Amino acid sequence: QKEVEQNSGPLSVPEGAIASLNCTYSDRGSQSFFWYRQYSGKSPELIMFIYSNGDKEDGRFTAQLNKASQYVSLLIRDSQPSDSATYLCAVNRYTGFQKLVFGTGTRLLVSP
Amino acid sequence: EADIYQTPRYLVIGTGKKITLECSQTMGHDKMYWYQQDPGMELHLIHYSYGVNSTEKGDLSSESTVSRIRTEHFPLTLESARPSHTSQYLCASSEGTASSNYGYTFGSGTRLTVV
Repeated sequence: QKEVEQNSGPLSVPEGAIASLNCTYSDRGSQSFFWYRQYSGKSPELIMFIYSNGDKEDGRFTAQLNKASQYVSLLIRDSQPSDSATYLCAVNRYTGFQKLVFGTGTRLLVSP
Repeated sequence: EADIYQTPRYLVIGTGKKITLECSQTMGHDKMYWYQQDPGMELHLIHYSYGVNSTEKGDLSSESTVSRIRTEHFPLTLESARPSHTSQYLCASSEGTASSNYGYTFGSGTRLTVV
């Protein structure tokens, strides 16, 4: 079992719709959770982080965390074609030092 | 605007050559990392550093080596490149005491091809 699991997709949504991206993790001790966006051929860029149960909103993006279910999600409202990218979920893990463990990412396609 | 810089952006090199991938950051971050990413695959940590003169190997075994002589500089070296080293190499940094909360800033990456 991978530490961080994501559906590879692609997830296809029409422009203006809500895109829902999901991530599960295995380490119950994880405290911090991150969503990165990676365009093809580019490096990951941080979109949001969350470390408390519940929702955290930033513009069109909402991160949701449920530590009891070991589940993190990212909602993108009013999806735009420019949102088409791979979204990486990352979970903080401590093994003598803090590091992020990344999922394989979910590819999102937003059609005009 | 990137505050962490990687050079070269692309590199095609022959088998057996020695190469150094450069990474520099201007944010004063103590922690720096090297990740390797193949197309469609997850990022794998190959090296990290807590600060000057501190380097450790990551989860993925790598034949590369790193050094951290200055806070801002974290180069990665392959003594003898092989086709199996073909991949994208991503450098990242994070704040020294709050990396778990603020995540990493990535450089633009170096896409290495060994022929």
